[in-house]
Amino acid sequence: EVQLVESGGGLVQPGGSLRLSCAASGLAVSSNSVSWVRQAPGKGLEWVSIIYSGGSTYYVDSVKGRFTISRDNSKNTLYLQMNTLKPEDTAVYYCARGRLGHDYWGQGTLVTVSS
Amino acid sequence: DIQMTQSPSSLSASVGDRVTITCRASQDISNYLVWYQQKPGRVPKVLIYAASTLQSGVPSRFSGSGSGTDFTLTISSLQPEDVATYYCQKYNSAPWTFGQGTKVEIK
Repeated sequence: EVQLVESGGGLVQPGGSLRLSCAASGLAVSSNSVSWVRQAPGKGLEWVSIIYSGGSTYYVDSVKGRFTISRDNSKNTLYLQMNTLKPEDTAVYYCARGRLGHDYWGQGTLVTVSS
Repeated sequence: DIQMTQSPSSLSASVGDRVTITCRASQDISNYLVWYQQKPGRVPKVLIYAASTLQSGVPSRFSGSGSGTDFTLTISSLQPEDVATYYCQKYNSAPWTFGQGTKVEIK
């Protein structure tokens, strides 16, 4: 059974940093493409970033230069390093496998950027 | 980047009605389109992938069609459990942009 479990969310001040983790079981992050998707309170889904199975990484324009996606194959874990956080980054952040869309999702971790 | 435009943003229909949601891509994405259903407080669930392929376990009243730039999600007979927000998403290349969502309610 595939499971994706996010952690690392919390309250952070504007300009601060957080690192989100997504621990995978039942699939290998090294051979799968995995995305981060976020959803601001009461808003729609927003794709944030992807790391393809081959290692290429891509970002939505609003986070380029501030967020970095990475993976640790030995821990079977995906990460999202988020720097220079802004109030508009407040959202639930999901990791999701990228195969024919996103077929497996974690339950999400809430990031709140506020002073 | 390719933009994904969904319409309508919300709709209200009666149980048993046929419901149609459209999604338009600003450039050709072939059939690299997926439809999700998201119920309040829940994680999105794949309904249709590759524009028209029904995900295993999804009721047959859901169907998808289209290719290129114009796509449609149809619910042939709306049921109370279909109250949710529906999203399209492209996945041919990054960014994997979502549509804005369509909120479906029962009249």
